[in-house]
Amino acid sequence: GAGVSQSPSNKVTEKGKDVELRCDPISGHTALYWYRQSLGQGLEFLIYFQGNSAPDKSGLPSDRFSAERTGGSVSTLTIQRTQQEDSAVYLCASSPTGAYEKLFFGSGTQLSVL
Amino acid sequence: QKEVEQNSGPLSVPEGAIASLNCTYSDRVSQSFFWYRQYSGKSPELIMSIYSNGDKEDGRFTAQLNKASQYVSLLIRDSQPSDSATYLCAVNAGTYKYIFGTGTRLKVLA
Repeated sequence: GAGVSQSPSNKVTEKGKDVELRCDPISGHTALYWYRQSLGQGLEFLIYFQGNSAPDKSGLPSDRFSAERTGGSVSTLTIQRTQQEDSAVYLCASSPTGAYEKLFFGSGTQLSVL
Repeated sequence: QKEVEQNSGPLSVPEGAIASLNCTYSDRVSQSFFWYRQYSGKSPELIMSIYSNGDKEDGRFTAQLNKASQYVSLLIRDSQPSDSATYLCAVNAGTYKYIFGTGTRLKVLA
């Protein structure tokens, strides 16, 4: 595709429900990132995928958060038993190889937990 | 101490003036530095990248890097109302992990 695609663009859910957020990176980009941006805050690193290597999950805030990347392309971020503090914009980014490079961001998923 | 620090602003400048945005970082081994612009409700987009000490110019934008002082700045000349946005500083220590500051909100007054 022409850019990084994220879906849904908006998600409203009730506290305690599970949600899945999807990211389709730019074709050929081996590096894929998930960031979280709370209102008025900077970008908080969540997880990084590079090719077929084991992902760096060091930024995931709790074990309610998990992510996978299938076939080195599409990634899904899953949040189980959502809490109100999970409300934020979840941004996905990709880059050709992952170091010293520009990150290409998707338009994000606005998650609201009621 | 935060890894990447920016003044949250807002920084208000009149149209046509120079806007100066600053960023400090704590990791001395950081090797690459990026400025992203983020309009309200939109995703970040890259404005400038800089890897060596000194100045790098691109149109109305100049990035300045001083590794000894662990300081990187972005100058915007002839500021326009369309430059009003949040500017995010990002630092990479030679690995895949990009650490972002909280951003500086710039307002250019017409």
